[in-house]
Amino acid sequence: GAGVSQSPRYKVAKRGQDVALRCDPISGHVSLFWYQQALGQGPEFLTYFQNEAQLDKSGLPSDRFFAERPEGSVSTLKIQRTQQEDSAVYLCASSINSGDYYNEQFFGPGTRLTVL
Amino acid sequence: GQNIDQPTEMTATEGAIVQINCTYQTSGFNGLFWYQQHAGEAPTFLSYNVLDGLEEKGRFSSFLSRSKGYSYLLLKELQMKDSASYLCAVPSGGYNKLIFGAGTRLAVHP
Repeated sequence: GAGVSQSPRYKVAKRGQDVALRCDPISGHVSLFWYQQALGQGPEFLTYFQNEAQLDKSGLPSDRFFAERPEGSVSTLKIQRTQQEDSAVYLCASSINSGDYYNEQFFGPGTRLTVL
Repeated sequence: GQNIDQPTEMTATEGAIVQINCTYQTSGFNGLFWYQQHAGEAPTFLSYNVLDGLEEKGRFSSFLSRSKGYSYLLLKELQMKDSASYLCAVPSGGYNKLIFGAGTRLAVHP
């Protein structure tokens, strides 16, 4: 595809439900990042994958958050037992590799999660 | 730790020039990014500065002073479509995760 895609674009969940958010990065991109963006704020880092390896998950806010990228391409962010404070836009970004700081990260349009 | 500050909101007139400032405090420095984000859309890359000075790219320019921990984004000949949030970000750690400021919401009016 031409860019990073995410699905669904919008998700409404009842408190306590589990949700799964999908990210399709740009083909061939080694690095994949998940960010959480609260309303009116900048994105905040959640987790990072290099191919299928999850090398940094320091930003995941609780053990209810889990991410995977089993084949080194598509990634899924799963949130268990959603809470109202999980309401945010979840952004996925990919870059060609992580070795150089100037590598641009390409962002997807995000999934807006609303927990009622 | 990392700390990035930028103004919350700015307004400007179509055709004018606006400067959006960003100050940062980082442990180590590996450059600074500016991204543009229209409401409900993905952030898109505008610029990356790692050396001091001004880099010009069409109507947009970005400036960096490493000694002052300061950057600005300069937008010339403003158009209505420039109404968006502008995010200042620095890469951090070994994997280039981005640390973002809260963003500056720019409103351009006729």
